[in-house]
Amino acid sequence: QKEVEQNSGPLSVPEGAIASLNCTYSDRGSQSFFWYRQYSGKSPELIMFIYSNGDKEDGRFTAQLNKASQYVSLLIRDSQPSDSATYLCAVNFLGDSSYKLIFGSGTRLLVRP
Amino acid sequence: DAMVIQNPRYQVTQFGKPVTLSCSQTLNHNVMYWYQQKSSQAPKLLFHYYDKDFNNEADTPDNFQSRRPNTSFCFLDIRSPGLGDAAMYLCATGPPTSNEQFFGPGTRLTVL
Repeated sequence: QKEVEQNSGPLSVPEGAIASLNCTYSDRGSQSFFWYRQYSGKSPELIMFIYSNGDKEDGRFTAQLNKASQYVSLLIRDSQPSDSATYLCAVNFLGDSSYKLIFGSGTRLLVRP
Repeated sequence: DAMVIQNPRYQVTQFGKPVTLSCSQTLNHNVMYWYQQKSSQAPKLLFHYYDKDFNNEADTPDNFQSRRPNTSFCFLDIRSPGLGDAAMYLCATGPPTSNEQFFGPGTRLTVL
């Protein structure tokens, strides 16, 4: 069973803090990992992707991947109220079409002013 | 701007009355996807196309069909909508060189 697990939240952080969002997945052979942001009533928007173990930084966002432990995380530095949204983790599982992603149900982030 | 467009944005239909949702793209991506997303749930892949090659998910109900007449357009047909089919339907596209996906704004389907 291919699964992507996320804590539903809400994760509440004060403005300016670091928000840490976590995701675990069921298949150690998975190759590519994505983070999407979804505002209420809107469609998912790609934030970043990561393929290799370690950290990948893009502005205030850092994705961290640990394939041995089968988790991927997203750090948001200097959190802003506009970051309040649901964050979806998505994984391309080994053996699936390379174009297929399995999504988690997301973690809702609330940034308090 | 290159984009993914879905029409209509909101669709109301009656129980059992066929409905068609459309998606178009100006990104010239080879891959197109249809997802169903219910409240507080993960987007669930229904089908995807690589060009004309159609890939149906094993658990997609027969009630859902799709057509892709050309690179730019893709349609989702729901032959006999039930109350459980009320959801947001998301179209996405992706280039052949990676598995990034770019979503349209979605169509929210209500079944009365």
